[in-house]
Amino acid sequence: AQRVTQPEKLLSVFKGAPVELKCNYSYSGSPELFWYVQYSRQRLQLLLRHISRESIKGFTADLNKGETSFHLKKPFAQEEDSAMYYCALSPNTDKLIFGTGTRLQVFP
Amino acid sequence: NAGVTQTPKFQVLKTGQSMTLQCAQDMNHNSMYWYRQDPGMGLRLIYYSASEGTTDKGEVPNGYNVSRLNKREFSLRLESAAPSQTSVYFCASRDGLMNTEAFFGQGTRLTVV
Repeated sequence: AQRVTQPEKLLSVFKGAPVELKCNYSYSGSPELFWYVQYSRQRLQLLLRHISRESIKGFTADLNKGETSFHLKKPFAQEEDSAMYYCALSPNTDKLIFGTGTRLQVFP
Repeated sequence: NAGVTQTPKFQVLKTGQSMTLQCAQDMNHNSMYWYRQDPGMGLRLIYYSASEGTTDKGEVPNGYNVSRLNKREFSLRLESAAPSQTSVYFCASRDGLMNTEAFFGQGTRLTVV
């Protein structure tokens, strides 16, 4: 079965601390993986996708096929990073499934 | 520059009532989705549609029906609402290509009493 697991419901850090939001997936094929973010009172929006190997707002995510993980990292958290983060898996061009989400709180 | 538009934004229903949530996108996307968002449960896929006239069940389809009447619109119907369907509902769309971004509506907050 295709599944996305985000083990942490809440992650609290202080400004300037490193952040790692965990994501594990179960899928037998080559996955399309994404991170989406929902800021307060805003729509859910794409943060980054694994195929692009990009860094957005200082965040990066590396696909580890051996560990079936796609963790999101940022070396120095900012207060404006406080939001809900969702890892998502697309097993084909049609379907898109999300994890349970991790709420990141960055304290000043 | 509307993107994905959902109506209504808020709704209160009594148990047993029916209603339809509307979703429209103006980006000429092939794929459309309906999700529900519940605390601690994340976003769960209810139904999705890969193209006009086709629909498929997601993770939690029971109690819902959908219609993809044309490329722009994808509606979600609750035939007999139950308190367990109290949730925030999101519609999304994306092009039917690999690794493309999904665009979301602003959500519908539904309360069933």
